[in-house]
Amino acid sequence: ETGVTQSPTHLIKTRGQQVTLRCSSQSGHNTVSWYQQALGQGPQFIFQYYREEENGRGNFPPRFSGLQFPNYSSELNVNALELDDSALYLCASSLGGRGETQYFGPGTRLLVL
Amino acid sequence: DQQVKQNSPSLSVQEGRISILNCDYTNSMFDYFLWYKKYPAEGPTFLISISSIKDKNEDGRFTVFLNKSAKHLSLHIVPSQPGDSAVYFCAASGNFGNEKLTFGTGTRLTIIP
Repeated sequence: ETGVTQSPTHLIKTRGQQVTLRCSSQSGHNTVSWYQQALGQGPQFIFQYYREEENGRGNFPPRFSGLQFPNYSSELNVNALELDDSALYLCASSLGGRGETQYFGPGTRLLVL
Repeated sequence: DQQVKQNSPSLSVQEGRISILNCDYTNSMFDYFLWYKKYPAEGPTFLISISSIKDKNEDGRFTVFLNKSAKHLSLHIVPSQPGDSAVYFCAASGNFGNEKLTFGTGTRLTIIP
């Protein structure tokens, strides 16, 4: 059983650009969640996808969007990057349902200059 | 509004002794609680969880205690080992874990050999 993987590991962008981050969930996990972790903070929930549909969203603007694909992969897209978007972006997959643990990938560290 | 709080940013414990990490929450709708461990350059790793129908859950050296009336949980690590040195995050969820995770800001645990 493979774990959760993310790509790229690091990324540098400039303000105003767009970025796509990718995640490959554990096989069979139909739920994926994305989190943003700023320096010195805990991860903050961005949104969750269940069977390719958005299933909950945190306090993030619409320029944060996502997609989930049938092959257990997913994307986080961020438009019009701002300096404050610099953070570690984590995806987590789970089977969904009560008591199911979310398993995290290693994250993508994004730096916006 | 910080719904999950870890008031100790850091903790140092002698190897072989007990490590106790604390977490408080304010949202009475939370009914599922988890502890994650995070090493640098890695994603959070699931350690142990507890449902609000229990007040204790044990897994090897790790025990989580939940005090619902005080809205407080703690993680006990006995005996502490050098490999336990990491940042520990407390997280909470509603609907018995079927909702987004809300994280605390983390406690950096250092085990002194």
